[in-house]
Amino acid sequence: GQSLEQPSEVTAVEGAIVQINCTYQTSGFYGLSWYQQHDGGAPTFLSYNALDGLEETGRFSSFLSRSDSYGYLLLQELQMKDSASYFCAVRDVGSQGNLIFGKGTKLSVKP
Amino acid sequence: GAVVSQHPSWVICKSGTSVKIECRSLDFQATTMFWYRQFPKQSLMLMATSNEGSKATYEQGVEKDKFLINHASLTLSTLTVTSAHPEDSSFYICSARGTSGPIHEQYFGPGTRLTVT
Repeated sequence: GQSLEQPSEVTAVEGAIVQINCTYQTSGFYGLSWYQQHDGGAPTFLSYNALDGLEETGRFSSFLSRSDSYGYLLLQELQMKDSASYFCAVRDVGSQGNLIFGKGTKLSVKP
Repeated sequence: GAVVSQHPSWVICKSGTSVKIECRSLDFQATTMFWYRQFPKQSLMLMATSNEGSKATYEQGVEKDKFLINHASLTLSTLTVTSAHPEDSSFYICSARGTSGPIHEQYFGPGTRLTVT
């Protein structure tokens, strides 16, 4: 089966940098994705890593180390609007390939 | 980007009644649609996967006779919660994957908040 572990909560101040870690256990691996979800809203896709290394998209970056079964999402220049839950996800190795989500990390950005 | 819509966005129904939720891919064709359920402060849990023109595949523990899924076309899937009970109150989110584009991307609908009284 697949399982993902990430911290339940993180707090940071505006303008700071925060890193949200994710470790996973999978029977197969097709890459690690990150999603953002504001309260009451739908998850929105942030980034995807299939290979080791860092992917940068504006203020957000995502890193993957397949040998360590570990990845992280890095948020820079934090803004109040970044307060949300962040989920790491892997694709199921089954034929349907659905996403399996971690429990989510609630990020609170303080002024 | 690809857009997925859900209707209704919220619904309140009485215990014992049925509720239908629609999920549409607006600007792409979705061969596969996924239905998730999310309880407050919890993660998204996959309920079932539907492929256009075939029966849905349900996750373990999800009653297929209670949660009826129909994927009638490449742009529409419906989830019907039959004989709803208060414990079915939750946030239901559909997700669609297109026939082309990055396979890792699933596009999510805005969700439907169901409250059963």
